[in-house]
Amino acid sequence: QVQLVQSGAEVKNPGSSVKVSCQTSGYTFSAYDLTWVRQAPGQGLEWMGGIRPVFGPTNYAQKFQGRVTITADESTRTGYMELSSLRSDDTALYYCARDTAGLSAGFDFWGQGTLVTVSS
Amino acid sequence: SYELTQPPSVSVSPGQTASITCSGDRLGHKYVCWYQQKPGQSPVLVIYQDGKRPSGIPERFSGSNSGNTATLTISGTQTVDEADYYCQAWDSSTRIFGGGTRLTVL
Repeated sequence: QVQLVQSGAEVKNPGSSVKVSCQTSGYTFSAYDLTWVRQAPGQGLEWMGGIRPVFGPTNYAQKFQGRVTITADESTRTGYMELSSLRSDDTALYYCARDTAGLSAGFDFWGQGTLVTVSS
Repeated sequence: SYELTQPPSVSVSPGQTASITCSGDRLGHKYVCWYQQKPGQSPVLVIYQDGKRPSGIPERFSGSNSGNTATLTISGTQTVDEADYYCQAWDSSTRIFGGGTRLTVL
């Protein structure tokens, strides 16, 4: 069965970077995009960007351009989201999800979420 | 940038029909998905391509999309349907979420 398992919670200082991983299984890794969504405490869902593993391209939300880097490692079937220059308002739950992309059929499987807390 | 607008909250009595709207410019020309999120859980896809249900989603969930408005309809709403609901669409290569609607069943 399809599974996306994310890395554990992180506490970071303002100005630093965080890298969250998303290990996938149960489907052809290169056949779907891997997308990243975040949710600040008590707030809604916010799309950050995504990648088509192996083939690319990478797409980023304008809000995060220049501060987020999304990559994927085909050998380990793992996606990564790195966010730099962290601020307190980056404190959020970060999700990876399988993105059906060209089928426009939505994000059909989600990871469990990774809490990133930015605090001095 | 493209925006999707949802009402912050909707209330419905058990057994009645709940309708949650999502508005955007010429939204009917785009595919819309809907996600359900319960407290402390990851979102779940309940509708894709405007009105299709993924495997395992109850038939009481349906969707439509025309003009500037997409609608998620829950027929015979149950207490287990109480959750936050988000619409999502594509704008070129960007994915956009609506602000979310809290559905209260009381």
